[in-house]
Order: sequence, then structure tokens, then C-alpha cells
Amino acid sequence: SAVISQKPSRDICQRGTSLTIQCQVDSQVTMMFWYRQQPGQSLTLIATANQGSEATYESGFVIDKFPISRPNLTFSTLTVSNMSPEDSSIYLCSVPTQGRESEAFFGQGTRLTVV
Amino acid sequence: KNEVEQSPQNLTAQEGEFITINCSYSVGISALHWLQQHPGGGIVSLFMLSSGKKKHGRLIATINIQEKHSSLHITASHPRDSAVYICAVVYGGSQGNLIFGKGTKLSVKP
Repeated sequence: SAVISQKPSRDICQRGTSLTIQCQVDSQVTMMFWYRQQPGQSLTLIATANQGSEATYESGFVIDKFPISRPNLTFSTLTVSNMSPEDSSIYLCSVPTQGRESEAFFGQGTRLTVV
Repeated sequence: KNEVEQSPQNLTAQEGEFITINCSYSVGISALHWLQQHPGGGIVSLFMLSSGKKKHGRLIATINIQEKHSSLHITASHPRDSAVYICAVVYGGSQGNLIFGKGTKLSVKP
């Protein structure tokens, strides 16, 4: 299993500012995933963060808006840049485990409100 | 049409009732997750299924790959089961390519 510590758990931010969300995993993992859940919507994958290479972004998400760092195999950050009220969402990081019966593990989530 | 559909969207039950949440999907998958999301947003993985049935305590999950359908059952429901239950399918062979349902909000009244 994997334990993920995500912070902050919540924040209220002014529009135009940026917020960096951190995820720390208690074991080394190759891939980390960042998701966004807008109010009333499904979770949507923002990007996949691999250690030692640039993150891979999904359609509709760009690096300038959501820069990601992955300095080592246990840590990643997602920054929400130049925020607007439309960025108000829950942001989650996730890691898969290895093996045939692999599960997905999620952080506690960051509830972001942009005012 | 969403690729993963859950029903019902909202469910209110009395303590002790048997609860069923359904998930249907329209894409080819390698596995399916049932997740529990708490009010703060954090998510816990309940099950990962690729076939058949799994049971953990009062929770039972089944999947029918041919019919592209899965169910999550809660026996002897309790107010602490109140949460949002999310179905997510593993698409494309990568654990990151999860397609999520919108979730079922369950409220169990004492």
C-alpha cells in the first residue's frame, strides 16, 4: 500500500495569485497523477508526472497554467497559476501500485476556492 | 453521453438498509475501481475489480465484464457509510487513465 500526504487540505485564494499543492508519498513510485474535480463533475486527469522528465498533460490542460514538479520518486507539486474563480475545485494526487492487482491511492485532496 | 454512468446520483437510506449503487461503462477496460470520497475531498480506494466479486466486511462489489456493469453493495448500512461513492474504470492499460463516474452521494439516516 501507499500513504500519500497532500497539503494544503484547503485554501481560499485571491484571483490572479498562484497556489502550489504538494504530495508526499511514503514509498518510491514511478508515476504520480494529478486530478481536478470541479463542483458537480467527475474527476479529470490533469497530467502524469514522471520523475526525471516533463509531465504529460491531458487535452485542455497546459504547463503554463498547471506547472508540475517531480524532483524525486516520492514527491510532486502542482501549481495552479494566475487563478480565476473557474479554478475553484478539488485537486487530488494519486499513485498506482505495482502488480496485477494494483490499486490506486489518492491524497486527501485540496479544496481550492478562488475569490 | 458519459463513458461511465452511475446510478442513482443521490441515495438516502435508513440505518440497516441494504444499499446498491450501479455503474455502467461504454469503453473497454482492464479493471474497475470503487472509491469512497469524504466531505473534505479525500478519496479511499475500496475495491479494484477485473472480474467476479470481492467482499470487504459489509461491502461487496461485483462486475460483469460482458455486460459492462458493476455494482457496489453495502449490507447493514450505517450513518458512517455516508459519503460519495465513485466508480472509475481503468482505460488503455495504464493506471493513470482512469475515467470516473460522477459519483453517488449516499446519506444513511440513523
